[in-house]
Amino acid sequence: GDSVTQMEGPVTLSEEAFLTINCTYTATGYPSLFWYVQYPGEGLQLLLKATKADDKGSNKGFEATYRKETTSFHLEKGSVQVSDSAVYFCALTVAYNTDKLIFGTGTRLQVFP
Amino acid sequence: ETGVTQTPRHLVMGMTNKKSLKCEQHLGHNAMYWYKQSAKKPLELMFVYSLEERVENNSVPSRFSPECPNSSHLFLHLHTLQPEDSALYLCASSQVREREYGYTFGSGTRLTVV
Repeated sequence: GDSVTQMEGPVTLSEEAFLTINCTYTATGYPSLFWYVQYPGEGLQLLLKATKADDKGSNKGFEATYRKETTSFHLEKGSVQVSDSAVYFCALTVAYNTDKLIFGTGTRLQVFP
Repeated sequence: ETGVTQTPRHLVMGMTNKKSLKCEQHLGHNAMYWYKQSAKKPLELMFVYSLEERVENNSVPSRFSPECPNSSHLFLHLHTLQPEDSALYLCASSQVREREYGYTFGSGTRLTVV
């Protein structure tokens, strides 16, 4: 079945370090791919998305490229800030009747000054 | 008000109580969802309503009862819960067949069962 696999956290970085959070997927058909972020005490917010192969989603300095050949959608940021500390979820949808959103398990990022 | 609004933000209830969680979306979406988020567990999809019809119920215990009176409102009625039901309950909405836009989530209701 359709699924998303994320690297386990927590990921601990110093401010201004480079961030990569790995995400790979398995899907029938052609999924749309998403990264969501959850700050402490809040719900999930859409961070970025890509709807077809080779698309790059970007927002707030974060980027992810839809790689069909490696079935990956890794999240990157060149210089993290303390305020980026949160849980990051990779997700996909496939075009069934309910457009179900399938999540990975989430990766906690902790950034220290 | 815009987006997806959930009330209350926090709820403490006894195991014999009956309470309801409310979700309202102001986005014109036609699908709504309940998710359960427990510590150290993946997000669990509980219920899906598409065009006001329940289309998915993922083996959720009957002590959880959803209601979707119209496309803008979604409720989760709770009764005789167990301590393991303590979690963050998230509501989301989307537009069916416009999957490239993903879901919009509310801020959640933090439920504690004592």
